[in-house]
Amino acid sequence: AQSVTQLGSHVSVSEGALVLLRCNYSSSVPPYLFWYVQYPNQGLQLLLKYTTGATLVKGINGFEAEFKKSETSFHLTKPSAHMSDAAEYFCAVSQTGGFKTIFGAGTRLFVKA
Amino acid sequence: DVKVTQSSRYLVKRTGEKVFLECVQDMDHENMFWYRQDPGLGLRLIYFSYDVKMKEKGDIPEGYSVSREKKERFSLILESASTNQTSMYLCASSPGTGRFSGYGYTFGSGTRLTVV
Repeated sequence: AQSVTQLGSHVSVSEGALVLLRCNYSSSVPPYLFWYVQYPNQGLQLLLKYTTGATLVKGINGFEAEFKKSETSFHLTKPSAHMSDAAEYFCAVSQTGGFKTIFGAGTRLFVKA
Repeated sequence: DVKVTQSSRYLVKRTGEKVFLECVQDMDHENMFWYRQDPGLGLRLIYFSYDVKMKEKGDIPEGYSVSREKKERFSLILESASTNQTSMYLCASSPGTGRFSGYGYTFGSGTRLTVV
């Protein structure tokens, strides 16, 4: 069975500081991994995804994530936080041969001026 | 710009009412999904459909049904609304025939349903 764990329901950073949102997954087969962002009162928007190939993937708005199979992790980073990054972020996993995507509980990012 | 459109942003319904949530996508996607989102629980899959008239139960189908008569439209039905169905409901779609789930989803803006 697949599962996703996001460490920290709330993360607070100062503007200009590094953003690090943690995600660990479990999957019995090679996973597909995703990060989504949700702004208030909106749906989710795909930030980036890993399917195969290069383990460091770049997404929109300057975010990137690295797939580390040995650590079963897919942490999301951004070198310098901006006020507009304040939102909720969801890590998700699906797998080859399956329709379903499993979402983590979400991490709300606060950015302080 | 490709879109998933949910017919209502906010709905207030009474306990026992039959409620219809509509979702339309203009991307010719084969797969469509209904999730509910609750604080601290993330997104939970209610139902999904991989083709017209095809549907499969997700993780929490009890109290819900779905209809997909046309490729672009996927409706969620609350047969008899209850207060524990107060939630944010999100529709999503993705391309791809078969069981490749690596494309990612396009989400609608959500419907916040309150059952009183």
